[in-house]
Amino acid sequence: KAGVTQTPRYLIKTRGQQVTLSCSPISGHRSVSWYQQTPGQGLQFLFEYFSETQRNKGNFPGRFSGRQFSNSRSEMNVSTLELGDSALYLCASSGGTGTSNTEAFFGQGTRLTVV
Amino acid sequence: GENVEQHPSTLSVQEGDSAVIKCTYSDSASNYFPWYKQELGKRPQLIIDIRSNVGEKKDQRIAVTLNKTAKHFSLHITETQPEDSAVYFCAASIQKAGTALIFGKGTTLSVSS
Repeated sequence: KAGVTQTPRYLIKTRGQQVTLSCSPISGHRSVSWYQQTPGQGLQFLFEYFSETQRNKGNFPGRFSGRQFSNSRSEMNVSTLELGDSALYLCASSGGTGTSNTEAFFGQGTRLTVV
Repeated sequence: GENVEQHPSTLSVQEGDSAVIKCTYSDSASNYFPWYKQELGKRPQLIIDIRSNVGEKKDQRIAVTLNKTAKHFSLHITETQPEDSAVYFCAASIQKAGTALIFGKGTTLSVSS
């Protein structure tokens, strides 16, 4: 069974630009969450999607947005990039029926550098 | 909002010693508490988890305890080995299902031989 796949692995963008990151969950998984990982702040929750609906959102500005498609693949978008957005962006997927917590499997992440 | 405090931020032990990492969570509705291990340059991987209806769970050298009243949960690693060296994250669920988790800021465990 293929794991969680994130593309691209690395990105370099300029301040003010926008970026779109992609996450393909494990086949059959319907829940996908996104996290920002930085050395000082650890893993911070961005948002979670389940069956194409945003189910939870963390404390990030509106420049951060996401969506989920009918095949459960998810994208997140960051507009008007700032230097502070440089981070490793991780997505995680989990299976189950949506009524109880099960193990979240992480992708290898996308390393975003804003210059 | 929800918050998870994790201590200590760094922990150095000798091979064969035990290591204990403690976390406190704020949301009484949290009912799932996983622990992740992240090695340098790699993705976080689940090592053990516990649900709110269980007080303790053990898997070989790793155990987790949960005190729901005090909103505390802890990771215990016995007979540590150099390959246990990594960053460990505790987390608490935001809701009853899915992948939405609030993470602690991590503990860097160093095991020297």
